[in-house]
Amino acid sequence: RKEVEQDPGPFNVPEGATVAFNCTYSNSASQSFFWYRQDCRKEPKLLMSVYSSGNEDGRFTAQLNRASQYISLLIRDSKLSDSATYLCVVNRNQGGKLIFGQGTELSVKP
Amino acid sequence: GAGVSQSPRYKVAKRGQDVALRCDPISGHVSLFWYQQALGQGPEFLTYFQNEAQLDKSGLPSDRFFAERPEGSVSTLKIQRTQQEDSAVYLCASSLGRNQPQHFGDGTRLSIL
Repeated sequence: RKEVEQDPGPFNVPEGATVAFNCTYSNSASQSFFWYRQDCRKEPKLLMSVYSSGNEDGRFTAQLNRASQYISLLIRDSKLSDSATYLCVVNRNQGGKLIFGQGTELSVKP
Repeated sequence: GAGVSQSPRYKVAKRGQDVALRCDPISGHVSLFWYQQALGQGPEFLTYFQNEAQLDKSGLPSDRFFAERPEGSVSTLKIQRTQQEDSAVYLCASSLGRNQPQHFGDGTRLSIL
């Protein structure tokens, strides 16, 4: 079993839809949590950090449930440009190495 | 400003050949990471440097993989006697410190024939 698990999708949604991605992690020692975005044949880019209190950045909302070891990302009013793979990432703060999930593919259609 | 630069962008090699992949981190970033990303998977950690010291190489899949960062700046990942399973994208990332946000390069897409 992978340390960070995600549904690979693909999620195919129309423009304007709300879509939610979930992720679970198995190591309770994990300290930091992130969502990265990766476009086809491009490098991963940090989308947002995830905090226990939940945090929002425009149309994006991230939630963390430490008790359930569960992370979520909600995208509201989805745009064509949101089409990408979304990577759930944890950091055990032991040297800084990032543990990535498989990624969830999102395709937003007109 | 300049981001993380990796070269070559693409590399094709025959099975059994040695390859060397280069990473030029953002100036001033002391931490440097290498990751391997197979098709359809998320990146997987290979190794980590703080300045010139290789502090973690637990992710290197075999002794055919070797990384160095002799002057604490540019890093090279070398793969000896390449195998087909080495085909992947090799990503380099750098950060100001080990738990600071990591900035990734475009990667080197390695294909072993």
